[in-house]
Amino acid sequence: AQTVTQSQPEMSVQEAETVTLSCTYDTSESDYYLFWYKQPPSRQMILVIRQEAYKQQNATENRFSVNFQKAAKSFSLKISDSQLGDAAMYFCAFQEMKTSYDKVIFGPGTSLSVIP
Amino acid sequence: KAGVTQTPRYLIKTRGQQVTLSCSPISGHRSVSWYQQTPGQGLQFLFEYFSETQRNKGNFPGRFSGRQFSNSRSEMNVSTLELGDSALYLCASSLVTPSRNTEAFFGQGTRLTVV
Repeated sequence: AQTVTQSQPEMSVQEAETVTLSCTYDTSESDYYLFWYKQPPSRQMILVIRQEAYKQQNATENRFSVNFQKAAKSFSLKISDSQLGDAAMYFCAFQEMKTSYDKVIFGPGTSLSVIP
Repeated sequence: KAGVTQTPRYLIKTRGQQVTLSCSPISGHRSVSWYQQTPGQGLQFLFEYFSETQRNKGNFPGRFSGRQFSNSRSEMNVSTLELGDSALYLCASSLVTPSRNTEAFFGQGTRLTVV
């Protein structure tokens, strides 16, 4: 069974600084998605960035980028130039690509605080 | 394009009652999944529906059930509510193509409180 681990329950970063959130996962599948979702106090689960496992190039989305190490099954999120609005719960998540099965497996989350 | 819509946003129910939550997926999305989020257990997969059929089910008791209609809208039902069922229930939809699924898009959730 697939599992997703986030070893940092809480993190904090100074405004305008850079922070990296860690995530490791376990799967025997070769074709899958990895995601970082952000959940602010409003509860809306917002997709921050996604990575297809078959792509070697790390995904980037403005101030957000990932370091995807497929062999090590590691998927960290780097937030550059942190802003107050980045404060939220961040979930690393895994989803298989095969069409007969649509289920997202989430890690336990990392609560990110941004210090003004 | 409208996002995933969940109704109601908040519910308060009494132990022993039953509840029905609704989810309208993004137009064109035929897969709908349900998740339970609690502080203790985190986000847990409940079940997934595709073309009115349940394709996959998480490890929840039979009190949790769901269905999907021909327009892809889905409902989730919890019978004989227990205090531990208090949670945020999230619905997600995704577009299933012949070759692969796309990422899941989430609604804002329904906050269920059982008293």
